[in-house]
Amino acid sequence: SQKIEQNSEALNIQEGKTATLTCNYTNYSPAYLQWYRQDPGRGPVFLLLIRENEKEKRKERLKVTFDTTLKQSLFHITASQPADSATYLCALDQAGTALIFGKGTTLSVSS
Amino acid sequence: KAGVTQTPRYLIKTRGQQVTLSCSPISGHRSVSWYQQTPGQGLQFLFEYFSETQRNKGNFPGRFSGRQFSNSRSEMNVSTLELGDSALYLCASSLAVFASGTDTQYFGPGTRLTVL
Repeated sequence: SQKIEQNSEALNIQEGKTATLTCNYTNYSPAYLQWYRQDPGRGPVFLLLIRENEKEKRKERLKVTFDTTLKQSLFHITASQPADSATYLCALDQAGTALIFGKGTTLSVSS
Repeated sequence: KAGVTQTPRYLIKTRGQQVTLSCSPISGHRSVSWYQQTPGQGLQFLFEYFSETQRNKGNFPGRFSGRQFSNSRSEMNVSTLELGDSALYLCASSLAVFASGTDTQYFGPGTRLTVL
């Protein structure tokens, strides 16, 4: 069956370090993958989209990689700050019909 | 530009009742998708509407339905509520239909539904 797994429900790191979040999927062949940020009591906010033919995408302190052979995406936040504390969701395109979300990883950055 | 708005923000119902949730997309956006978010299952796709037509539907029972109006505003309805329907219901809008693969989705703040 199709599955998306975000390793680690929670990740705790110190300010200034790089946070690395993982998204693995099985039995999908997504044309693209997205990462969202969700704060408590709010809807998800789009961060980055990476297509199947792209290996890496960057936006300010954020970097996303997409390895279709490993069926894995890594999401990096460099020089992390307490304001980066939130839940991060990966989402895959399911054959152009819908976004399928992982359950998220809650990142806590301590000062 | 105003973001996606959802009303009401909080709702308490009892089992067996029905509920209607409303979503106003970002001005100019024609696609509205609905999602259910629970701690156990995460975010799950309910359905997408584009130009007043349902384009895709997730794996939810027929008690969950929706519609879209000519101004792109959308409503979803849940009939015969069950305890398991307690969740955060999110709507998201985008310019184009999802299948185009070119647009990201902008989410509203959600409606927190509690079924007692």
